[in-house]
Amino acid sequence: GDSVTQMEGPVTLSEEAFLTINCTYTATGYPSLFWYVQYPGEGLQLLLKATKADDKGSNKGFEATYRKETTSFHLEKGSVQVSDSAVYFCALSTQTSYDKVIFGPGTSLSVIP
Amino acid sequence: KAGVTQTPRYLIKTRGQQVTLSCSPISGHRSVSWYQQTPGQGLQFLFEYFSETQRNKGNFPGRFSGRQFSNSRSEMNVSTLELGDSALYLCASSSGGTLPQETQYFGPGTRLLVL
Repeated sequence: GDSVTQMEGPVTLSEEAFLTINCTYTATGYPSLFWYVQYPGEGLQLLLKATKADDKGSNKGFEATYRKETTSFHLEKGSVQVSDSAVYFCALSTQTSYDKVIFGPGTSLSVIP
Repeated sequence: KAGVTQTPRYLIKTRGQQVTLSCSPISGHRSVSWYQQTPGQGLQFLFEYFSETQRNKGNFPGRFSGRQFSNSRSEMNVSTLELGDSALYLCASSSGGTLPQETQYFGPGTRLLVL
């Protein structure tokens, strides 16, 4: 079945460090890919998305590129801030699953000053 | 536009009781999905409703049920609560089209503690 794998962390970085969170997926057909972020005590917020191969999603300095050949959607940010501390979820949805989103296990990020 | 709202935000119940959680989607959205989030299992899909009909269902026992009203508001019910039902229950809404790029918008969740 469809699935998402991502590094689970926790990841601890110093402020202004470079961030990469790896995400790979398995899906039938052509999924749409998403990164969601969950701040402490809150629900999920959509961070960025990409709907077809080679699309790059970007938001708030974060970006991820849909790589069909490697079935990956790695999240990157050039310079993290303390306010980026959160849990990041890679996710996908497919044409056969409508609004059923399949999430990875989440990666906890802590940014220290 | 107001976001997805969920009530109540926190709930404490005891084993064997039942509970009803409510979700109001973003205005104009017709699809509502429910997810359970636990530290051990992560985010798991419960079910999805569109135009008052269940369109998708995850792998949860029949104790978990839901419904959607004509104004798209949704409720989920858990009967005969077990300790393992303690979780954050998240509701998400979308316009409900059949395209995979439809974005889901999540509410803040209802945190349920079963004692």
